[in-house]
Amino acid sequence: GENVEQHPSTLSVQEGDSAVIKCTYSDSASNYFPWYKQELGKGPQLIIDIRSNVGEKKDQRIAVTLNKTAKHFSLHITETQPEDSAVYFCAASNQAGTALIFGKGTTLSVSS
Amino acid sequence: GAGVSQSPSNKVTEKGKDVELRCDPISGHTALYWYRQSLGQGLEFLIYFQGNSAPDKSGLPSDRFSAERTGGSVSTLTIQRTQQEDSAVYLCASSSRDRGQYEQYFGPGTRLTVT
Repeated sequence: GENVEQHPSTLSVQEGDSAVIKCTYSDSASNYFPWYKQELGKGPQLIIDIRSNVGEKKDQRIAVTLNKTAKHFSLHITETQPEDSAVYFCAASNQAGTALIFGKGTTLSVSS
Repeated sequence: GAGVSQSPSNKVTEKGKDVELRCDPISGHTALYWYRQSLGQGLEFLIYFQGNSAPDKSGLPSDRFSAERTGGSVSTLTIQRTQQEDSAVYLCASSSRDRGQYEQYFGPGTRLTVT
């Protein structure tokens, strides 16, 4: 079955810097890759996703890139702000309406 | 609009007791998922319901776990004879056919503590 590895487990940046979180997946049939942000005591919030037919997607300060050949995808956050501090999870699935397989998360800390 | 809601938000139970966790999906969403998040861990898939199809139970960790979805809407996750290792946050998500069912929206979770 699918396995998703996520790195780093923790990431500390200064406000205004960029942050990059990387994930690799094992199942070449995976075609959907969402990213979730989870704040303390809350459920995960979908922040951006990408499907296998595109290589990059941007939404304001966040972007996701996908390399299907290498089976890895990354989350890029530019101009980080203290409110970006949270745990970020990547995930993958190979069919709409089925289970997401999650990475173990990255704790991002943005200091002002 | 209203998001996914879950109740209770917190549940403390004694080892060996049964518990029921409830999930109300976003109105009109046809698919519903249960995940478990143990302390400091990622999210682990448990079960999902897709319309009127038989649920995919492949993630349930033991036969003490079961779930049902009544009327294509509300779902209940039941854990029988709870064990301390069942302590975790149980998260529910739903997705919509209109968006091709890829995007899953999560509720706030139920934090279960087994003493």
